[in-house]
Amino acid sequence: QKEVEQDPGPLSVPEGAIVSLNCTYSNSAFQYFMWYRQYSRKGPELLMYTYSSGNKEDGRFTAQVDKSSKYISLFIRDSQPSDSATYLCAMSLLPGGSYIPTFGRGTSLIVHP
Amino acid sequence: EAQVTQNPRYLITVTGKKLTVTCSQNMNHEYMSWYRQDPGLGLRQIYYSMNVEVTDKGDVPEGYKVSRKEKRNFPLILESPSPNQTSLYFCASSPRLGDTQYFGPGTRLTVL
Repeated sequence: QKEVEQDPGPLSVPEGAIVSLNCTYSNSAFQYFMWYRQYSRKGPELLMYTYSSGNKEDGRFTAQVDKSSKYISLFIRDSQPSDSATYLCAMSLLPGGSYIPTFGRGTSLIVHP
Repeated sequence: EAQVTQNPRYLITVTGKKLTVTCSQNMNHEYMSWYRQDPGLGLRQIYYSMNVEVTDKGDVPEGYKVSRKEKRNFPLILESPSPNQTSLYFCASSPRLGDTQYFGPGTRLTVL
C-alpha cells in the first residue's frame, strides 16, 4: 500500500461546480499537508498548506484535514476553466522525523465551460 | 524574480550517452532536490541536498548522480542513460528541508 493514495481521475466538471479532491494516507505521523497545482507542461506550484486538522480557506479554495480518518481534501468553489490542472497532495513529518515530503500521484481536473 | 531554472527543457538522446541536466535557484535556498514524474507513478524523489557538499539518495537514485558544489546549483547527471530513464524531471528548492518547495519548469527527457 502506498503511503499516500490519490485517485488520478480525470475528474470532469462544469464551470461553476464545487470540486472535491481527496487523498488518504497511512502514516499517522504526517503532520504537514500541502496541495500543489500543476498545469500541463509546467512544474507543480504550491497552492495551500496546513499543519493541523480542520479547515483552511484561501479565496475559492479550502483545505481540510481529518487526522483521525487520515484523509485530506481540497475544495474548489465556483470552479473555472482556468482551474483545469493536475492537483497533487503532499505530506511530511514535522521535526523529529523525516522531512522529505511524500506526494500523491495527482488528480487531473477538467473544468469545461 | 525568484525562480528555479532547468536546462535543457527538452532532450532526446541515445542509450549510453552521458548527459547533465542543470538546475539553478536564485533564492539562496539550502535544500534542493530532483524528482521524476511518470504517468501513474506520480512524483518520485531521486536525490536531495541539504546544503553544499551534502547530498543523499531519495526513493529512486539508481542510474543518477548529483553534485552540490555551489548553493545555487544542483546538476543531475546520467552517466549512461537507458530507455527506462525516459521521464519528466523536476528540480525543486526550499529554504530548509521540510519547507514548501518551489519547482522548476521541468525537463522532458527521451532516451532512445
